Amino acid sequence: GDSVTQMEGPVTLSEEAFLTINCTYTATGYPSLFWYVQYPGEGLQLLLKATKADDKGSNKGFEATYRKETTSFHLEKGSVQVSDSAVYFCALSDLTNAGKSTFGDGTTLTVKP
Amino acid sequence: DADVTQTPRNRITKTGKRIMLECSQTKGHDRMYWYRQDPGLGLRLIYYSFDVKDINKGEISDGYSVSRQAQAKFSLSLESAIPNQTALYFCATQGRSTDTQYFGPGTRLTVL
Repeated sequence: GDSVTQMEGPVTLSEEAFLTINCTYTATGYPSLFWYVQYPGEGLQLLLKATKADDKGSNKGFEATYRKETTSFHLEKGSVQVSDSAVYFCALSDLTNAGKSTFGDGTTLTVKP
Repeated sequence: DADVTQTPRNRITKTGKRIMLECSQTKGHDRMYWYRQDPGLGLRLIYYSFDVKDINKGEISDGYSVSRQAQAKFSLSLESAIPNQTALYFCATQGRSTDTQYFGPGTRLTVL
């Protein structure tokens, strides 16, 4: 079945540091890939997505590229801010699985001033 | 107003009690989901519904039941709550022709 493995946390960075959160996936079909973000006390919300190989999703300074050859979708940001502190979830949606989403375990990011 | 709402936001109950968590959406989406979130375990799917007449079990449906009263409403029930059902519960919606899910703010349930 489908699965998503993401970098274990927690991750603690200083403001303006570079961020990478690794994500790899296993899927039977050709999934769409997502990063969702969960701010404290809130539900998950879409951060970015990519629907096919080599696509790059980007939003709020975050980027991730759909790499089919390495089955990866790593999240990056060049300069993090305190307001980026949140839990980040990598996910996939696979039409061969009735379009349901599979989520990683989440990575908690804390950015210190 | 929020597109996906959940009530209650917080609930403390005792072992053996019946609990209902409610989810409403104004996005007009056909698909609705219930997940639970536990520390270190990410999101696990409890039940999902692709339309009013469609109910499907997820990976952890034991001890839970659901009701899809209308396109906009999807309720989760714990018939006899137990302490290991203490968790954060999320409802989510998805359009029929889209792949993005939209989440409610969550219900924090504590079973004593």
